[in-house]
Amino acid sequence: RKEVEQDPGPFNVPEGATVAFNCTYSNSASQSFFWYRQDCRKEPKLLMSVYSSGNEDGRFTAQLNRASQYISLLIRDSKLSDSATYLCVVAPGATNKLIFGTGTLLAVQP
Amino acid sequence: DAGITQSPRHKVTETGTPVTLRCHQTENHRYMYWYRQDPGHGLRLIHYSYGVKDTDKGEVSDGYSVSRSKTEDFLLTLESATSSQTSVYFCAINLDGNYGYTFGSGTRLTVV
Repeated sequence: RKEVEQDPGPFNVPEGATVAFNCTYSNSASQSFFWYRQDCRKEPKLLMSVYSSGNEDGRFTAQLNRASQYISLLIRDSKLSDSATYLCVVAPGATNKLIFGTGTLLAVQP
Repeated sequence: DAGITQSPRHKVTETGTPVTLRCHQTENHRYMYWYRQDPGHGLRLIHYSYGVKDTDKGEVSDGYSVSRSKTEDFLLTLESATSSQTSVYFCAINLDGNYGYTFGSGTRLTVV
């Protein structure tokens, strides 16, 4: 079993739609959680950290469920510019070595 | 954005030759990492460094070595390149381990 698992997609959605990505992780001692965004042939960039209480940044909302070892990312009012691969990232235990999921591809259609 | 650069950006090399990739940062960050990214595998950690001359292995370290003689530079060497090392290599930096990484633009390496 992979340490971090994501549905690879692709998710094809129309502009303005709401889309949700899910991610599960296997190490219950994981302490830090992130969502990264990666555009085609570019480097990953930090989108947002994920906090236990959930957090929101504009159209983006991240949730963490430690009991189920589950992380989610919700994107509201999708824009064409949101098209990218979204990487779920976990730091297992007291370590700064991040473990990356393989990513979920989002394609927002006009 | 944090100052992190990778060189070269693209390289084609022959099987059996040594190759060195360079990561340079201007942020004085303590932690530096080398990842490779391949379809179906995502980003996998090769080696990382937590200070000058302090390095450790990641999950896919076989065939790779690293050196960090200065805070700003982290070198990745493929001792004898193989076709399985054809990949995109990303360097990343992290200030104190508690926050997300900042990545370089990557090096596309092809071993023929």
